Order: sequence, then C-alpha cells, then structure tokens
Amino acid sequence: GAGVSQSPSNKVTEKGKDVELRCDPISGHTALYWYRQSLGQGLEFLIYFQGNSAPDKSGLPSDRFSAERTGGSVSTLTIQRTQQEDSAVYLCASSLEGSAGNTIYFGEGSWLTVV
Amino acid sequence: RKEVEQDPGPFNVPEGATVAFNCTYSNSASQSFFWYRQDCRKEPKLLMSVYSSGNEDGRFTAQLNRASQYISLLIRDSKLSDSATYLCVVNMGGNNDMRFGAGTRLTVKP
Repeated sequence: GAGVSQSPSNKVTEKGKDVELRCDPISGHTALYWYRQSLGQGLEFLIYFQGNSAPDKSGLPSDRFSAERTGGSVSTLTIQRTQQEDSAVYLCASSLEGSAGNTIYFGEGSWLTVV
Repeated sequence: RKEVEQDPGPFNVPEGATVAFNCTYSNSASQSFFWYRQDCRKEPKLLMSVYSSGNEDGRFTAQLNRASQYISLLIRDSKLSDSATYLCVVNMGGNNDMRFGAGTRLTVKP
C-alpha cells in the first residue's frame, strides 16, 4: 500500500486477555517504530527496528509487551495479560534506511480499549 | 532529564497572533530535528525539518540552537486551522532512532 497500514483499527478486549497489533510499513522502509499514546498525552516510545540490527526495546513498559518484525517488513506488537492502563492508541511508523533524518510516516493507529 | 522536552501548553492565542514553541533535547550528538503536527485523534504528520541555518516555510520558521540544545518553532499570523498539537522530534545520536517530545498544544481562537 501507499502508507503505513495498521490492524485492527479498533480493539476492545477484556482485562487479562492477550492482544496482537499488526503493522505493515511502507514498502522499502527498513526503520520501524512503535509508539503508544494515551488520551490527551504525548507519544511514548516503545520499540525501534532498523534493518537486521537488534531492536531498541528500551521503551517497552513491562515484560508483558513484546514485538517482532518478520522478514524485515511486517511487525507485530503483542501485549499479554492486558491491563486497563494499556488502553491507548498504538501508533506504528516507518522511515527509509540511511542517514538520520528521514521522514517518519505514521499509520492511523490501533485504538485499544481494555475493559 | 528527558530525552526531548516540550512545554505542554496549552497555548491559547487569537487569530493573527505570533506564537513560539521551544523544545530541548538531551543528546548532544543528535543531528536531525523535525516538527510534526498532530490533529485531535489523528496520527502525527511532518510539518517541517529543522536545519542548522534555520529555515522558513510560509508562516512557519524553525530554528536550531546547538549550543543550548534546543529547537524552536515560530508561527506568524496564526490561523484557526493551526490549532493542533506540535511535536518536536530528535534523533538519538547518529542513527535513525527518533524520539518525540510530548507535544505543545495550540488553540487559535477567533
């Protein structure tokens, strides 16, 4: 597709359930980011993938959160045993490989509500 | 100190006003700087890059101060449509690992 694609766009889940959020970056983009944004708050960095390098996981808030990127393209963010405080929009973004400073393009986000 | 810090605002200004936002960053090795705009319940989108020499795009002017480690965004002749949250973005060192500030909320009123 032309842009970053995320699914599902909306997810309501019960507390304690696991959820998987998918991100399909722009074709050819080797850098992929996951951010979280709670209502009315700023972007919280979660994880960054760049090519075949080890991902920067420093932003993952707990061990219930994990992410992988298969084949250098699609990424899945998994939240295990969801809690109400996990409710937020999860934004995926991608950018071209290369020197620092390439524009980051965001998907429309996956809106997660934990009830 | 946070990697990227912004005054959250809100900034409430009348139409036609000039408003400026600052953003400080902690990593002296950062090389790339941007301003993004985020409308309510929408994803962030690039507003403009910030170049060392400063740059202007219409009513918007961005500047970088490396010595004091901050970037700024100036909006002249504010329009109602400028109402949004403005996010500064800085790369972590010499790579593509970009970090966002929490954003500054601007409301332009008639």
